[in-house]
Formats: sequence, C-alpha cells, structure tokens
Amino acid sequence: EDKVVQSPLSLVVHEGDTVTLNCSYEVTNFRSLLWYKQEKKAPTFLFMLTSSGIEKKSGRLSSILDKKELFSILNITATQTGDSAIYLCAVGCGNNDMRFGAGTRLTVKP
Amino acid sequence: EAGVAQSPRYKIIEKRQSVAFWCNPISGHATLYWYQQILGQGPKLLIQFQNNGVVDDSQLPKDRFSAERLKGVDSTLKIQPAKLEDSAVYLCASSFWGGFPDTQYFGPGTRLTVL
Repeated sequence: EDKVVQSPLSLVVHEGDTVTLNCSYEVTNFRSLLWYKQEKKAPTFLFMLTSSGIEKKSGRLSSILDKKELFSILNITATQTGDSAIYLCAVGCGNNDMRFGAGTRLTVKP
Repeated sequence: EAGVAQSPRYKIIEKRQSVAFWCNPISGHATLYWYQQILGQGPKLLIQFQNNGVVDDSQLPKDRFSAERLKGVDSTLKIQPAKLEDSAVYLCASSFWGGFPDTQYFGPGTRLTVL
C-alpha cells in the first residue's frame, strides 16, 4: 500500500530559528513529490520535485528530494510567525494517484 | 486569474441527512479532484475527473457518496445519507492537465459537521 509519512507531526520554534521538515514515502511508480502550505484555508503550492539532488529554493524555503532513500526535506530558515501553518507533503504515484502525508504543524512563536 | 471556487464554506447537518457541495475549477483546467480532509490528517482523494469523465474513484464510498461533472466544468459532490464520520473539510482542486508533472490548485474547502 502506498504511504507517505511526515515527521515531526508538530513543531514549535521561535522566530529566527531554522526548521527541517521530513517526508518519507513508499509508493509504486513514483512521479513527483510536492510540498504544500496549509493555513486556515486551502493548501497552497510550494514546490514540486521530480529529480534527486536538485534543490528547489524560494526565498527562505528550500527543498530537496532523495529518490534512492525515498525522502524529501523542506527547510525554512529565519522563521517568521507567518510561517506558522501545516506543511503537507504529497506524492504523485501509480497511474493518477496523489497521496498526502498527515502534515507537520509548525508553530513559530514571536 | 480567479481561483477554485467552492460553496458552501460551512455546513452543519444531522446524520442521515443529505448534503451537496459545489466546485468551480480554474478556467481551462481539465482535471478536477475532490478530497476529504479529516481533522489531523492529510487530504484523501475521493474522485478525479478528466473533463467530464471519471479517472479514479477507487476511494469514494459509493454507497453514500456520488459526484458528477456533467459539462466538464463545475462539479458537485453529494453525500446521502451522511454519517458522523463524514465530518471533515471537503477540498476541491483543479489542474491544467492530470498527467505528469502535475500541480493542483485548491479551493477554500467546505467544512462539514455531521451531528
């Protein structure tokens, strides 16, 4: 059975800290791995990763995929209170499947 | 560009009642998805449409859930009759094309509470 596991489930840090969120997966026919940020509303797209070892970067956020070890990390540097959200990892697999992890709830305190 | 629209935003019903949700995807997006997100969990795909055809409904509880996208644009998801465990946020997403690679854009969701 395809599965996507995120860790930690929740994390509390202070502004300025750097955090690393983890996503590991076991799926058939891996296509892509996506990171989403979910605040009170809909998940918003952050990154899509398809190749190992190529870092995607957007401002203070970056992500990388390891297809050999079957995981990805999402790094956030110099965290701000606005980074507080649930971060979802999703893996495109099979013919048309998209499997989501349970998410990591990040809380950034002032 | 306008995002994915969903209505209603909130719905409270009693068990055994029926409920319907509506979704209008981003213009031009051929693929439409309905997800169920239970509190504390990631979204679970219920059904995927490509235009007006069903691509994947393997996780849709067909005894009580149904969905349609008759004209290949907007879609409705219905639950009849609702159970307590159906309480969740129902997310609609759309993408330009459902193949690989694929980025989905989500609507604001409908929060359903079944009492």
